[in-house]
Amino acid sequence: AQSVAQPEDQVNVAEGNPLTVKCTYSVSGNPYLFWYVQYPNRGLQFLLKYITGDNLVKGSYGFEAEFNKSQTSFHLKKPSALVSDSALYFCAVRDMDTGRRALTFGSGTRLQVQP
Amino acid sequence: GAGVSQSPSNKVTEKGKDVELRCDPISGHTALYWYRQSLGQGLEFLIYFQGNSAPDKSGLPSDRFSAERTGGSVSTLTIQRTQQEDSAVYLCASSLEGRGDEAFFGQGTRLTVV
Repeated sequence: AQSVAQPEDQVNVAEGNPLTVKCTYSVSGNPYLFWYVQYPNRGLQFLLKYITGDNLVKGSYGFEAEFNKSQTSFHLKKPSALVSDSALYFCAVRDMDTGRRALTFGSGTRLQVQP
Repeated sequence: GAGVSQSPSNKVTEKGKDVELRCDPISGHTALYWYRQSLGQGLEFLIYFQGNSAPDKSGLPSDRFSAERTGGSVSTLTIQRTQQEDSAVYLCASSLEGRGDEAFFGQGTRLTVV
């Protein structure tokens, strides 16, 4: 079975400070990992993904995420938060080789960036 | 089309009625997903279609829920004898067939059962 954990329901950060949104995963084989963002009253938007290669992946809006196989983590980061980054963030996983082909999502983390 | 299209965007129905939700995926995408999201909460997997393979129905919460995908394109999610706990936003997504391909989501259908 594949699963994702986002241990923080909400993350608060001041504008201009670095932000981290945590994600850990569990799969039988190797993972494909994704981050999505959901702005109020809007659909989910793809931010970035890890497929293979460099453990640090860069995505939209200045976000990046680091794949750590030993810790089974894929934390989302941004060096300098903006108020406009305030949204609901979802981590998702798909097993690379076996198991369910549909994406499995975490429960989401609400990011609140204060001016 | 340019993106995943879902209709209707909003649906209010009486308890016990049947509803049909429609999803039009991105042209050329062979994978199609349905998820359910309760207010401000996470995404609950419902069903997954991939090409001509048998769908993964393991997320359907009860036999009142069913879905079909005709001609490998448009999909319809049907909820029979709706209950108040079915109220949620139903999200459809599509992707190319590779496991590394990201899914693109529609705007969702907000279902309210009164």
